[in-house]
Amino acid sequence: SYELTQPPSVSVSPGQTARITCSGDALPKKYAYWYQQKSGQAPVLVIYEDSKRPSGIPERFSGSSSGTMATLTISGAQVEDEADYYCYSTDSSYVFGTGTKVTVL
Amino acid sequence: QVQLQESGPGLVKPSQTLSLTCTVSGGSISSGSYYWSWIRQPAGKGLEWIGRIYTSGSTNYNPSLKSRVTISVDTSKNQFSLKLSSVTAADTAVYYCARDDCSGGSCYPTYWGQGTLVTVSS
Repeated sequence: SYELTQPPSVSVSPGQTARITCSGDALPKKYAYWYQQKSGQAPVLVIYEDSKRPSGIPERFSGSSSGTMATLTISGAQVEDEADYYCYSTDSSYVFGTGTKVTVL
Repeated sequence: QVQLQESGPGLVKPSQTLSLTCTVSGGSISSGSYYWSWIRQPAGKGLEWIGRIYTSGSTNYNPSLKSRVTISVDTSKNQFSLKLSSVTAADTAVYYCARDDCSGGSCYPTYWGQGTLVTVSS
């Protein structure tokens, strides 16, 4: 079955840049999507189609994709960005990534 | 703005069938080119896509759950439902319903319900 692999955790100081990677064999031909999930809440879409930002999502969130890796970048991370982040994509089926816990301290 | 709300039993016995309903408000479930999905998350673990349905009745399921999953839609009630048969403790999770937007050749959840915890235990 298809898998999307993320690092378990990323730590960043406030105001610095956090980068979260997502590795998957089908990413060269399929879009990546990114979700933010804060504790006890439903996920929120922060990036779609590799690099597009939904309305209401701060500009500090950006996405890119190259080859088999997609990347979510949080430029100037804020304390409120502390959350779990999941990539999402498809091959023959749809799948979420393994998830990355982002700590801002 | 569309809102989704999951409902159903919070406790299901092993080997029985888990049944959940998602009620959509703020818009018709039949309008637009949307799919309607179910996703789950065991405590402390990641998200797992279960499957989705279009209002025509067309479905896609996670291959690992396909033999036990049925997703259906009732447009007259603006609801869609999940049935998961032969449940075990491994099916204990928060279950989310969501509306999927489709573009660029993929469908992806945009609006989510708040989630409902289902525990499988005797």
